[in-house]
Amino acid sequence: GAVVSQHPSWVICKSGTSVKIECRSLDFQATTMFWYRQFPKQSLMLMATSNEGSKATYEQGVEKDKFLINHASLTLSTLTVTSAHPEDSSFYICSAAYTGTSVYNEQFFGPGTRLTVL
Amino acid sequence: GDSVTQMEGPVTLSEEAFLTINCTYTATGYPSLFWYVQYPGEGLQLLLKATKADDKGSNKGFEATYRKETTSFHLEKGSVQVSDSAVYFCALLHRGGKLIFGQGTELSVKP
Repeated sequence: GAVVSQHPSWVICKSGTSVKIECRSLDFQATTMFWYRQFPKQSLMLMATSNEGSKATYEQGVEKDKFLINHASLTLSTLTVTSAHPEDSSFYICSAAYTGTSVYNEQFFGPGTRLTVL
Repeated sequence: GDSVTQMEGPVTLSEEAFLTINCTYTATGYPSLFWYVQYPGEGLQLLLKATKADDKGSNKGFEATYRKETTSFHLEKGSVQVSDSAVYFCALLHRGGKLIFGQGTELSVKP
């Protein structure tokens, strides 16, 4: 149980185009999804937290107009990198959590999406 | 604010050696603590967790004990295998639901 998928697993795009990455919880309802960015040989940097049906909360320094997040259902969140540039090339990882009786205790991670912008 | 500090890597060991990866944290209260493992090109997998002081998390031969006195959650394994080669992340669950990660420790096990 608690499987999270991401699609695509890798994508190459031209500079200036937009790219959409999907994150799905396959066997549970995810009230909250998180989007992370990881540079080579570095830790995960939280970009934003999205709750189903409401606007995402972005971390300081993350451009909300650049990284559009939509959490339209309890099983799907999308990250759209708009007008991508080479510096947006990175490994993007999502995670999903469900709320128990109080705070959620665990996040389940997707396999990641490798974005390369030419 | 809350933070996690891990020992720097890379750590290189021979097969069957004993492994310790140090992790200390700074936090308000007593957060849940986690170890995640990341294999090359993949996302994170939960390795083990502990939700309160003195809890011991264990999985696949790995262990870590939640020590509130020393604010530590060191990862140990008695005999590593080549297949354990990966990057290991220590993390705490912030009260707001965010995971705070350490910088990661790369482990390389040689046959």
